[in-house]
Amino acid sequence: GQQLNQSPQSMFIQEGEDVSMNCTSSSIFNTWLWYKQDPGEGPVLLIALYKAGELTSNGRLTAQFGITRKDSFLNISASIPSDVGIYFCAGQGTGNQFYFGTGTSLTVIP
Amino acid sequence: KAGVTQTPRYLIKTRGQQVTLSCSPISGHRSVSWYQQTPGQGLQFLFEYFSETQRNKGNFPGRFSGRQFSNSRSEMNVSTLELGDSALYLCASSLNLNPGDYGYTFGSGTRLTVV
Repeated sequence: GQQLNQSPQSMFIQEGEDVSMNCTSSSIFNTWLWYKQDPGEGPVLLIALYKAGELTSNGRLTAQFGITRKDSFLNISASIPSDVGIYFCAGQGTGNQFYFGTGTSLTVIP
Repeated sequence: KAGVTQTPRYLIKTRGQQVTLSCSPISGHRSVSWYQQTPGQGLQFLFEYFSETQRNKGNFPGRFSGRQFSNSRSEMNVSTLELGDSALYLCASSLNLNPGDYGYTFGSGTRLTVV
């Protein structure tokens, strides 16, 4: 199935730093979702985006739906140790099926 | 309200056996989707059910099957297990047929190990 290109694959940052990650697709999507997955658990929804250009925040997290509808970005400001985990993007096109990115593994060094 | 419940959490099976995994969606959610997650392949879509009907199917062999009951609970079955079937199997539920409206809510998954 289709997979989204998510980058970077992994990040090691100092506590307090800001984080940016992105997802790109060759297809146009109508919905973008961002999830965080902790070890041994299922992904948890962080932010949902429904319109091109939309910028949405959830606490220290901000995500944007790219104007081209082929990409999305997630930023985390002032990272803290509990931000550690794997972050996934998911895009939905004209069908109901979602396609997931390969994930960005985030490590926060105290 | 209770989240998505998947049972069992862990499972060890031998090659050639079959396995059935269960998923109870959030109360009121009618759409259930299944994913296979492996380190090398990420999240791969298996199938989606809505009102007991399979609506979408991913590119997996016929050994992978599923069904949904009238109470929206879903099961997936894998027959003739292979070593490569070892993975975390995730179930996600959403309120209606278009999960984009409300996003998916995932369960904690079933970790299947085939030996």
